[in-house]
Amino acid sequence: AQTVTQSQPEMSVQEAETVTLSCTYDTSESDYYLFWYKQPPSRQMILVIRQEAYKQQNATENRFSVNFQKAAKSFSLKISDSQLGDAAMYFCAYRSPNFGNEKLTFGTGTRLTIIP
Amino acid sequence: DGGITQSPKYLFRKEGQNVTLSCEQNLNHDAMYWYRQDPGQGLRLIYYSQIVNDFQKGDIAEGYSVSREKKESFPLTVTSAQKNPTAFYLCASSYRENSYEQYFGPGTRLTVT
Repeated sequence: AQTVTQSQPEMSVQEAETVTLSCTYDTSESDYYLFWYKQPPSRQMILVIRQEAYKQQNATENRFSVNFQKAAKSFSLKISDSQLGDAAMYFCAYRSPNFGNEKLTFGTGTRLTIIP
Repeated sequence: DGGITQSPKYLFRKEGQNVTLSCEQNLNHDAMYWYRQDPGQGLRLIYYSQIVNDFQKGDIAEGYSVSREKKESFPLTVTSAQKNPTAFYLCASSYRENSYEQYFGPGTRLTVT
């Protein structure tokens, strides 16, 4: 079974600075999908970014980028130019590529605080 | 507007009562999921359904039941057998193919006393 670990329960960053959230995972599969979701105080889960394991290039979405290290099974999220609206819980998630096994396995989350 | 709706936002029940949480989607997604979220923990999968009239147990299915009679709807019943039912419940849906992400509803906070 796959497991996802987020070792930083809480992080804080000054507004406009850069912060990196860590995520590691364990799997025996060679192909898979990784996601970062954001959960603001409203508790609505919002997709931030996704990465396909077969792609060597790190995914980027505006101020959000990942550092995907497949051999190390590491998938960190970098937030540049942090804004007050980035304050939220961030969850890393793993999805198997197998048709019929589309469920997500989540880490325990990192609470990000933005300091004005 | 396409999306996932969950109702109600807050739900209160007495211990020993069954309660059904609603989840509806108009995204034409085949797959639907129910997750439970507790403080300090990530989302844990309760049940999921990939097609109508079929569903599978997730990691914490004991004390819960579901049905999938329509593609758009995936209600979750929390039975009296669930020992710690107070939690935040999230419903999600997705296409089945490969890298498509799951879309989440706004959630239902269930409190059982």
